[in-house]
Amino acid sequence: AQKITQTQPGMFVQEKEAVTLDCTYDTSDPSYGLFWYKQPSSGEMIFLIYQGSYDQQNATEGRYSLNFQKARKSANLVISASQLGDSAMYFCAMRVLPNTGNQFYFGTGTSLTVIP
Amino acid sequence: EPEVTQTPSHQVTQMGQEVILRCVPISNHLYFYWYRQILGQKVEFLVSFYNNEISEKSEIFDDQFSVERPDGSNFTLKIRSTKLEDSAMYFCASGTGDQPQHFGDGTRLSIL
Repeated sequence: AQKITQTQPGMFVQEKEAVTLDCTYDTSDPSYGLFWYKQPSSGEMIFLIYQGSYDQQNATEGRYSLNFQKARKSANLVISASQLGDSAMYFCAMRVLPNTGNQFYFGTGTSLTVIP
Repeated sequence: EPEVTQTPSHQVTQMGQEVILRCVPISNHLYFYWYRQILGQKVEFLVSFYNNEISEKSEIFDDQFSVERPDGSNFTLKIRSTKLEDSAMYFCASGTGDQPQHFGDGTRLSIL
């Protein structure tokens, strides 16, 4: 069975500081993808970053980076230089490829608040 | 940039009524999905659709739910006889299989 765990229901960070949002996963499949989505209070789901299980390097997208530790089954999101607009829910998700319908398994989310 | 569009943004329906949620996926995507998010909870997978048929569905997706791609562009979720517990945000997503899924902005369904 696939499982995503986010243990931080809420996080606070000072503006311009970096913050790490934790995510651990569990799967026995060797091929999988890990994703982070941002959900502002308006409700939409915004894709942030992707890491494939076979990727050798940690993914980076602008101020977002993914600290992928395969042996520990963790895929933490690092946001550098936090901005007020980063305040939102953040969801970690996993997709196991390819024969399970490609659906995502989501964690319970972390609510990030950026303090001015 | 192409995006997934969902209509309506908010639907209010009496319990027991049928409701149809509509989605227009990104045009070159082959995989389509519906997810549900009950207020304050995590996003839950409902169903995936590929090659004009359901490829996977969760235990939430019982007989009151159905999906259809009626005209090659729209992708709909029908709830036959709504219950109070169907109140949630429903997200449509589409993808190419090995790339991130793109989500629509969601339809907030309120059952009275």
